[in-house]
Amino acid sequence: AQSVTQLGSHVSVSEGALVLLRCNYSSSVPPYLFWYVQYPNQGLQLLLKYTSAATLVKGINGFEAEFKKSETSFHLTKPSAHMSDAAEYFCAVSGGNTGGFKTIFGAGTRLFVKA
Amino acid sequence: DAGITQSPRHKVTETGTPVTLRCHQTENHRYMYWYRQDPGHGLRLIHYSYGVKDTDKGEVSDGYSVSRSKTEDFLLTLESATSSQTSVYFCAISVKETQYFGPGTRLLVL
Repeated sequence: AQSVTQLGSHVSVSEGALVLLRCNYSSSVPPYLFWYVQYPNQGLQLLLKYTSAATLVKGINGFEAEFKKSETSFHLTKPSAHMSDAAEYFCAVSGGNTGGFKTIFGAGTRLFVKA
Repeated sequence: DAGITQSPRHKVTETGTPVTLRCHQTENHRYMYWYRQDPGHGLRLIHYSYGVKDTDKGEVSDGYSVSRSKTEDFLLTLESATSSQTSVYFCAISVKETQYFGPGTRLLVL
């Protein structure tokens, strides 16, 4: 079965430091990959998505992610963290062998940003 | 903004009572989904719909039923609420491969 693993349920960085949130997926065929962000008491908002057009995907708020097929990874990065980046981040995969339109979500990583 | 609203936004109910949550969309999307969100589990699919009166089960469908009599509305019913169904429920629609989410309903079952 398709799965998504996010390494680290909590990540803490200082303001201005690099943000790195890790995501690995299992798929036997090229999937669609996503990162969503959830701010407190809100729904999930699409941050960026990979659809095979380019391996480095740029998203909103300065985030980007790189698709590495050989490592089955789709890690999320941002060069310099801002206090407003504090939120929960979800990696997700659809297509491939997830069952067409179904999307599988990771357990989430909560990002803390220290002043 | 994908034009998705959920009602109610908050609800407290007692064990054994039926509860219905409503998801409404304004853009005639074919696919709609209900998820529950619990700490440490991310989002788990309860049921989904691929058209009016066309629905199917997700990975955590026990104790839940759904109905879709109109394109714009997707209802989730907890037939007899239990404390294990205390959760945050999200509705979503999909546009091709991408899902877009409503604001959520926070349900507490006492």
